[in-house]
Order: sequence, then structure tokens, then C-alpha cells
Amino acid sequence: QVQLQESGPGLMKPSETLSLTCAVSNYFISSGYYWGWIRQPPGQGLEWIGSIYHSASPYYSPSLNSRVTISADTSKNQFSLKLNSVTAADTAVYYCARLDSTGRFDYWGQGTLVTVSS
Amino acid sequence: QSVLTQPPSVSGAPGQRVTISCTGSSSNIGAGYDVHWYQQFPGTAPKLLIYGNDDRPSGVPDRFSGSNSGTSASLAITGLQAEDEADYHCQSYDISLGGSVFGGGTKLTVL
Repeated sequence: QVQLQESGPGLMKPSETLSLTCAVSNYFISSGYYWGWIRQPPGQGLEWIGSIYHSASPYYSPSLNSRVTISADTSKNQFSLKLNSVTAADTAVYYCARLDSTGRFDYWGQGTLVTVSS
Repeated sequence: QSVLTQPPSVSGAPGQRVTISCTGSSSNIGAGYDVHWYQQFPGTAPKLLIYGNDDRPSGVPDRFSGSNSGTSASLAITGLQAEDEADYHCQSYDISLGGSVFGGGTKLTVL
């Protein structure tokens, strides 16, 4: 069973850079599949942030493209998200997930709540 | 605003059949990209419920089914049970945006 676990700060201040890591267990990210980040503001729907294939360039949601960087570290079997210049609108539960070739997210992390507040 | 449009809420009595719609456009569902559905209980991560428009992962009851036509897709739940009360999200790929897109989610209430 593939397992994903997000980690990162729970509370941030406006203008800071959000950094999250997703550790993957029971599957080597270098073996294939895309890996993605999705977020969910409180009481709202899901929003795709971006995805990465271990050996290819990541691709991002156009609405976040100017602030987002996703990278993969195959030696640690994890991938990461950086989001610059956060505001209160970035307050959300952030999920990492595995994305297969049909476009479905088949395995998800438990999610981590990030709150942006001054 | 979500790229895919879902009703905010639906409800039904135990045993009944309910459907949840997911309306897209010619750049996602209408372009032939698969629709996937997720079930989410409060405080937990979404779980894949239907993939590839109408397939079920192992362990998902056949009370859940998916279909699509044109620029829309639907999730049907028959024999509604109290344990089905959850949020349901549709997802596809959008060629214009170059990535995955989700609906706004639908809250199912079992009366």
C-alpha cells in the first residue's frame, strides 16, 4: 500500500514562503507516476496546485504558476511544494497525492492544515 | 469558481437513488478526458470512488456508478445508506489550463 505523508509549518505570516514536503512510502517515486499537490480552503472544494514526474519538469495551475515551485528528491523518496508570498487566501488543507496516467489521484496523504495569519 | 460545476448539495432518504452532476466544457469533459469521482468524509482526505468515468476501485460497492455524456458527467448512488453521507468531488483534465481540474464539491445528506 502506497503511503504519503505531508509535513510543514501549521502557521505562517503573510508574505512568507510556504514549504511542504511529502514523504512517500512503499513506492519509489523514481519508478514512475506523477506526484501532485492539491489544496482545500476551509469549507470549500479541491484545487489542483501542480504535479511533477521525477525526471521531467513540473507543471502548475495557471492561477498559481507565478508563485509555485514543485521539486522531487528521489534520494529521499519525497517531493516538495514551495508557495511564495502567501496571504490569508492561501489558508487551506494541503494534500499530496499520486497521479496516474489516466489522470486520477489514486493515493492521498492525510493532509496538513496551513493557516496564514498576522 | 471551479472549472467543473457541481450542485452544492443533494439529499435523499435511505434506500433511494440520488445523482450528482458535474458540468464541464469542450476543453475538459467534452474533449473526452476521463472523469474521476472522490468521496470525502469530514476531516479526512478524499478517497477515489470512481475512475475513468465508470470504473470502481476494488472495495467500492456497486451501488456507486458513473456516467458521462457530452460536456457533463454524473455520479449515481442507489440504495442510499446513512454511511454515504459525505462530500463528493468530480475531477478531470483540462487541455486549455494544462492540468487537473475539480468541481466545487457536493454535500450529500441522507435524510
